[in-house]
Amino acid sequence: AQRVTQPEKLLSVFKGAPVELKCNYSYSGSPELFWYVQYSRQRLQLLLRHISRESIKGFTADLNKGETSFHLKKPFAQEEDSAMYYCALSGLTGGGNKLTFGTGTQLKVEL
Amino acid sequence: NAGVTQTPKFRILKIGQSMTLQCTQDMNHNYMYWYRQDPGMGLKLIYYSVGAGITDKGEVPNGYNVSRSTTEDFPLRLELAAPSQTSVYFCASSWAGEKGEQYFGPGTRLTVT
Repeated sequence: AQRVTQPEKLLSVFKGAPVELKCNYSYSGSPELFWYVQYSRQRLQLLLRHISRESIKGFTADLNKGETSFHLKKPFAQEEDSAMYYCALSGLTGGGNKLTFGTGTQLKVEL
Repeated sequence: NAGVTQTPKFRILKIGQSMTLQCTQDMNHNYMYWYRQDPGMGLKLIYYSVGAGITDKGEVPNGYNVSRSTTEDFPLRLELAAPSQTSVYFCASSWAGEKGEQYFGPGTRLTVT
């Protein structure tokens, strides 16, 4: 069975401090990992995907197959980064591009 | 484009009542999904559809039914509502060839008492 684990429900950091949101996965095949974000009063939306190896809004995430992790990082947190972040895995069989989501981490950036 | 729209935004049901949650997308996406999110939990897939006339069960399908008569619409039916179905329901859609990027609706908050 595939699973996504986000161990922290809440992460509180000060503005300008580094941010690391943890994500670990369990999957026997070759996974594709994603980070989704939900800002206050907005819809859940894709932030980034591991396959594109891009930086979005200063965030990066590297897939570490040895540690089965896909942590989201940003060197300097901004107030506007405060949001709910979900790690997601695509790997289910049966088609449909289905995703398995973690339970989410609430990031709070304090001034 | 409105994207993915869901109605209603909120609903309170009594145990045993039935209702349909509506979901419409105007992006001509092939794939559509229904998730539920319980407090402190991640999103769990209820049903999904890869095209009109084709639906399949997700992780938690019991107590729900879906249909997909058009590309745009993917209603979720709750029969005999139970307190365990109290949750926030999200509809999403995606392109067939775009793995991982799903477009979400604003959600429907349902309470069953």
